[in-house]
Amino acid sequence: GENVEQHPSTLSVQEGDSAVIKCTYSDSASNYFPWYKQELGKRPQLIIDIRSNVGEKKDQRIAVTLNKTAKHFSLHITETQPEDSAVYFCAAIRLQAQLWSRSNSGGYQKVTFGIGTKLQVIP
Amino acid sequence: GAGVSQSPSNKVTEKGKDVELRCDPISGHTALYWYRQSLGQGLEFLIYFQGNSAPDKSGLPSDRFSAERTGGSVSTLTIQRTQQEDSAVYLCASSPPGLAGGVEQYFGPGTRLTVT
Repeated sequence: GENVEQHPSTLSVQEGDSAVIKCTYSDSASNYFPWYKQELGKRPQLIIDIRSNVGEKKDQRIAVTLNKTAKHFSLHITETQPEDSAVYFCAAIRLQAQLWSRSNSGGYQKVTFGIGTKLQVIP
Repeated sequence: GAGVSQSPSNKVTEKGKDVELRCDPISGHTALYWYRQSLGQGLEFLIYFQGNSAPDKSGLPSDRFSAERTGGSVSTLTIQRTQQEDSAVYLCASSPPGLAGGVEQYFGPGTRLTVT
């Protein structure tokens, strides 16, 4: 089955510095890679995602890069702020359209999450 | 609008008892997922529903775990003969239909299960 490795498990940075979290995956059929942020005691929330036909995507201070050949993708947070402190999870997902479905009801998904990275931004 | 809801929020049960956890997805979301998150650990995929069907049950840890979904909406995760290692937060998530944009998973608040 799919295996997703996430590094580092913990990361401390000074406020204003950049943070980088890396994930590798094993299933070459994975084609969708989201990142979720989970603050203490709260539910995970999507912060950015990338599909396999794109190499890089950016949203303000957050960017994600994907290297399909090497099967790894990374989350980059620039100008970190204390409110960025949280656990970040990567995921590798294989989306397969169900060909028999005439309605756009969504396709089969194989989901594997990384173990998470606890990011601490020190003021 | 209303998000994903789960009940109960906390459940303490004795070892050997059965428990039932409930998930109410966002209205109109066709995909529904169950995950388990142990203390300080990542998200362990348990099962995924597309409508009422579960094409992937590979994540269920043992035959003590089962899940069903009816009417394409509410789902229940049942754990029979609970063991202490079942203690964790059980998270439910749902996704809207369509592959083009409907793959974001919206998580519920979770049910914290403690087996004593």
